Amino acid sequence: DAGITQSPRHKVTETGTPVTLRCHQTENHRYMYWYRQDPGHGLRLIHYSYGVKDTDKGEVSDGYSVSRSKTEDFLLTLESATSSQTSVYFCAISESLGRNTDTQYFGPGTRLTVL
Amino acid sequence: AQSVTQPDIHITVSEGASLELRCNYSYGATPYLFWYVQSPGQGLQLLLKYFSGDTLVQGIKGFEAEFKRSQSSFNLRKPSVHWSDAAEYFCAVANNAGNMLTFGGGTRLMVKP
Repeated sequence: DAGITQSPRHKVTETGTPVTLRCHQTENHRYMYWYRQDPGHGLRLIHYSYGVKDTDKGEVSDGYSVSRSKTEDFLLTLESATSSQTSVYFCAISESLGRNTDTQYFGPGTRLTVL
Repeated sequence: AQSVTQPDIHITVSEGASLELRCNYSYGATPYLFWYVQSPGQGLQLLLKYFSGDTLVQGIKGFEAEFKRSQSSFNLRKPSVHWSDAAEYFCAVANNAGNMLTFGGGTRLMVKP
């Protein structure tokens, strides 16, 4: 298994509070991704990073920000959590970006509940 | 925009029976396609991927998938299902830049003894 950890694994918070989720990898892969998983929607990309301090938006980025100050860590922040952000969040990594070589490996997920 | 449809939300098969999970995609160019499996409470594991070449792709755990361009499909198959195959299965397509996977809604497989 790829060396990807996510913390915390479970979190319950209240509407309006800030929340930060952490993804840590030991594979030294360049690319990192944050997805959210909701029933019936599969996984949807929130943000991704293509290097230290280099990030870009995905399909569902509103209400989320990210930061990557080190190769191994990719943080996802909900500045002011809302109930619609209750979801399971997955981090993924990949070594390359080319479509003919890229495979994304996924972390174990973080279950976030916003009350 | 690219999209993936998995028409079956739930499928139940008996152990030892054959399995086919459907995946239809919409993409303007040659698609790069993936199947992932997610066991309860776990992350996603790659089963197989199609980039080019032979349209029948072999994966791990005895799975295979066939790319049919004329039908815009990439169906997953297994000749004999085991109880441990009970999980949720996701089909995905990569965009041109390779920086975004678009997933289908998933198919939950249940296996009867």
